Amino acid sequence: SQQGEEDPQALSIQEGENATMNCSYKTSINNLQWYRQNSGRGLVHLILIRSNEREKHSGRLRVTLDTSKKSSSLLITASRAADTASYFCAAVGAQKLVFGQGTRLTINP
Amino acid sequence: DTAVSQTPKYLVTQMGNDKSIKCEQNLGHDTMYWYKQDSKKFLKIMFSYNNKELIINETVPNRFSPKSPDKAHLNLHINSLELGDSAVYFCASSQEGAVSSYTFGSGTRLTVV
Repeated sequence: SQQGEEDPQALSIQEGENATMNCSYKTSINNLQWYRQNSGRGLVHLILIRSNEREKHSGRLRVTLDTSKKSSSLLITASRAADTASYFCAAVGAQKLVFGQGTRLTINP
Repeated sequence: DTAVSQTPKYLVTQMGNDKSIKCEQNLGHDTMYWYKQDSKKFLKIMFSYNNKELIINETVPNRFSPKSPDKAHLNLHINSLELGDSAVYFCASSQEGAVSSYTFGSGTRLTVV
């Protein structure tokens, strides 16, 4: 299975701090994607990193990919209360995204 | 304009009933998907269609039957509903299959009583 597995399962930090979430997967991938899900809503695409890329930035988001360790990390800098959500990584191989169970991030004001 | 819209948003029904969930995308994407999210938030792919053709059919009971009348629509029909079918069902679409990002609908919360 190419399933992404997030770590930690839950993370609670103070507003303004940085939040780091990790993801591991099992087989070779085409790309890896991160999504956010607010409570009771659908998933929103955040960032896609291809297998030949090592780092990518988008606003306050920074994603790294280490294909030798089959792992990725998502860093959210200067967190805000609105960042409170569940974050999922999805490993992409042949034809489909396979999601992990997500990291539940809570930003305390 | 909602990019991926699915209806209904909530569905409460009795065991044994047959129900359908509809999904439409106006993004011009060529691939559509159905995912099931259980109570532990785990998302599992059920089906994938590319230009009206089934390309992924995971181990899903055959009580679940997807139908794609055209590439902008992918509906999910469920026969003989069971308690274990209670979950949130998400429709999604993408261009170029899985190598590009997905756009998700807001979900249908199905409760079987």
